Amino acid sequence: GENVEQHPSTLSVQEGDSAVIKCTYSDSASNYFPWYKQELGKRPQLIIDIRSNVGEKKDQRIAVTLNKTAKHFSLHITETQPEDSAVYFCAARSMIKAAGNKLTFGGGTRVLVKP
Amino acid sequence: GAGVSQTPSNKVTEKGKYVELRCDPISGHTALYWYRQSLGQGPEFLIYFQGTGAADDSGLPNDRFFAVRPEGSVSTLKIQRTERGDSAVYLCASSPLAGGVHEQYFGPGTRLTVT
Repeated sequence: GENVEQHPSTLSVQEGDSAVIKCTYSDSASNYFPWYKQELGKRPQLIIDIRSNVGEKKDQRIAVTLNKTAKHFSLHITETQPEDSAVYFCAARSMIKAAGNKLTFGGGTRVLVKP
Repeated sequence: GAGVSQTPSNKVTEKGKYVELRCDPISGHTALYWYRQSLGQGPEFLIYFQGTGAADDSGLPNDRFFAVRPEGSVSTLKIQRTERGDSAVYLCASSPLAGGVHEQYFGPGTRLTVT
């Protein structure tokens, strides 16, 4: 089955700096890669996603890049703000029909933005 | 509109007891997923429903875990003879259609503590 590795596990940045989180996946048939933000005690919320037919996607201060050949994708947050502090999870979806939309998640990155 | 809701928000039970966790998906969403999130880790897939039927239950850890969705809407995750290792946050997610690529909307989770 799919395996997703996420790095780093913790990331501390100064307010205004950029943050980059990287994920690798094992199943070359995976075609959908969402990123979720989870604040303490809250539900995971989708912040951006990318499909395998696109190499990069941007939404205001966040962007995601995908390298299908190397099987890795990254989240970039620019001009970080204290409210960006949270745990971020990457995920991958397999194309295996029986799996439906099953997501395999990375282990998470705890981001701390210091004012 | 209303998002995914889960009840109870917290459940404390003694080892060996039976528990039921409920998920109310977004109205009209065909697909429903259960994930389990242990402390400091990413969500792990348990089971996926397409309508009333379980399309993929490969993530259920053992036969003490069972889930139903009798009318294709509300789902109940049932755990028999609970063990301390079952302690985790149980997340439910729903998505508009069973096939294709669609965002999964998560509920707030049920925090299960087995003492």
